[in-house]
Amino acid sequence: ELKVEQNPLFLSMQEGKNYTIYCNYSTTSDRLYWYRQDPGKSLESLFVLLSNGAVKQEGRLMASLDTKARLSTLHITAAVHDLSATYFCAVEGTGNYQLIWGAGTKLIIKP
Amino acid sequence: NAGVTQTPKFQVLKTGQSMTLQCAQDMNHNSMYWYRQDPGMGLRLIYYSASEGTTDKGEVPNGYNVSRLNKREFSLRLESAAPSQTSVYFCASSTSSGGTYNEQFFGPGTRLTVL
Repeated sequence: ELKVEQNPLFLSMQEGKNYTIYCNYSTTSDRLYWYRQDPGKSLESLFVLLSNGAVKQEGRLMASLDTKARLSTLHITAAVHDLSATYFCAVEGTGNYQLIWGAGTKLIIKP
Repeated sequence: NAGVTQTPKFQVLKTGQSMTLQCAQDMNHNSMYWYRQDPGMGLRLIYYSASEGTTDKGEVPNGYNVSRLNKREFSLRLESAAPSQTSVYFCASSTSSGGTYNEQFFGPGTRLTVL
């Protein structure tokens, strides 16, 4: 059974600092997705990672995928308040149409 | 394009009442999904439809039924609502079919309270 673990589940940090959110999963997959959710809002797709070694960057966020380690990271560089949100990773199982979701990381960035 | 739309946005039900949540997408996607989101529990899949004419159970299907009315529309029905079904419900769609990847696009959500 595919399981997805994110850590930390909660992160409070200062503006200008760097930090990394980790997403571990339990079985083979080479497709991983990162989403952002603002409070009371829907989920927005951030990154689609489709192969080992994939790296995507958008502004201060960079996501990478290591399928051999079954690990994806979401790195935040020089955090700003606008990045405060909950971030989810989701892993695609093989042979079906489902995504298995992590519990989410609530990120609070203080001025 | 409106993307994925859901109605209603908010709903309050009494225990035992029934209701249908509506979802439609205009992106010509094959697959559609219903999730519930509870505090601290991430997203849990209720039902999905890989293509028009097919539906399958997800992780938490008990107490729910679905209908894939056509390629655009996928509805979720609560036949006899229970307080445990108080949640935020999200509909999503994706192109996933025959080997394409499964980036899902979400509707705005329905906030349901069952008293």
